[in-house]
Amino acid sequence: QKEVEQNSGPLSVPEGAIASLNCTYSDRGSQSFFWYRQYSGKSPELIMSIYSNGDKEDGRFTAQLNKASQYVSLLIRDSQPSDSATYLCAVKVGGGTSYGKLTFGQGTILTVHP
Amino acid sequence: EADIYQTPRYLVIGTGKKITLECSQTMGHDKMYWYQQDPGMELHLIHYSYGVNSTEKGDLSSESTVSRIRTEHFPLTLESARPSHTSQYLCASSESRGFTGELFFGEGSRLTVL
Repeated sequence: QKEVEQNSGPLSVPEGAIASLNCTYSDRGSQSFFWYRQYSGKSPELIMSIYSNGDKEDGRFTAQLNKASQYVSLLIRDSQPSDSATYLCAVKVGGGTSYGKLTFGQGTILTVHP
Repeated sequence: EADIYQTPRYLVIGTGKKITLECSQTMGHDKMYWYQQDPGMELHLIHYSYGVNSTEKGDLSSESTVSRIRTEHFPLTLESARPSHTSQYLCASSESRGFTGELFFGEGSRLTVL
């Protein structure tokens, strides 16, 4: 079983719709979770982080965490064509509060069509 | 925009050549990382460093080596390149205090070994 798995894509949604991206992780002790966005030909950039169960909202983005189910999701409301990218789920592994490494999922390609 | 630079951006070389991928950051970050990413696949951590003279192998076994003689510089070397080394190599750094999960990535070095 992979440490971090994302729902298979690609995902295509119409402009203005809600895009839902899902991720599961295998290490029950994981405490920190992140969503990165990677445009084609570019490097990943952090868009959301979440540490506690529940929802965290930032503009059109909402991250959801359920540690009991080992499940993280990212919702993008009012999707725009500029949101078209690969979305990477990442989980912090080890290191306490000062250090750590990120393990990434394989990514979900999102296309928002006008 | 993050101040982390990778050179060369693209490199095509023959089998058996020695290559060094350069990575430099001007943010004073102690933590630096090398990830390998094949098209459509997840990022795999191959090396990381928490400071000068500190280097560790990542989760994915790699024949490459790294060094960290200066805080700002984290080069990756392949002594004898093979076609199996063909990939995109991404260098990243993160803040010295704590671990926020935010990695600042360079633009990547795309290596092709013929």
